[in-house]
Amino acid sequence: NAGVMQNPRHLVRRRGQEARLRCSPMKGHSHVYWYRQLPEEGLKFMVYLQKENIIDESGMPKERFSAEFPKEGPSILRIQQVVRGDSAAYFCASSQGSVSTNEKLFFGSGTQLSVL
Amino acid sequence: QQPVQSPQAVILREGEDAVINCSSSKALYSVHWYRQKHGEAPIFLMILLKGGEQKGHDKISASFNEKKQQSSLYLTASQLSYSGTYFCGTDSQGGSEKLVFGKGTKLTVNP
Repeated sequence: NAGVMQNPRHLVRRRGQEARLRCSPMKGHSHVYWYRQLPEEGLKFMVYLQKENIIDESGMPKERFSAEFPKEGPSILRIQQVVRGDSAAYFCASSQGSVSTNEKLFFGSGTQLSVL
Repeated sequence: QQPVQSPQAVILREGEDAVINCSSSKALYSVHWYRQKHGEAPIFLMILLKGGEQKGHDKISASFNEKKQQSSLYLTASQLSYSGTYFCGTDSQGGSEKLVFGKGTKLTVNP
């Protein structure tokens, strides 16, 4: 029973390029969360999705960032025209139900994005 | 909206105890605790539900005071394997069913 799979593990981009981060939730999980982590800082909420729907994107910058969780396939976090400040670890987590039903989150190993 | 954790860092010798606190300015449905080791994914420890519940997991336990909007994580007789950064995540009433995490408490257990 595979856990939450994120790829790539490491991603290097030059300023102005696009970054696409993928997250395959655990089998049977339909809730996906994306978090961003900088050194010495906590996990900052970005976006919460259910299959084909964005539930809460209040933590995601309005420009250059987008997320999707299609009916088939992994969830994608897309960052267009990356800048050095986008360099961070991006974690995806999934759950079977929402946290309001006391479901715990299972985290992937993260994608470390480095912008040159 | 982000919960506040204290202390920011703790250094212990093996066998010593520690308490990590988490407080919120909002009324909470639940508090989650996770531990993350360097370069790894955060791992779930436990969920505390409103009602003053206390839970335990081996020698790690936690309490949740709904009225004070606070939770505390208790680590007793610490082991080397307890080293890592501990995060509390809160699910606020009136929120959109997401977890908002504190900045973390870095725990180092030395031999």
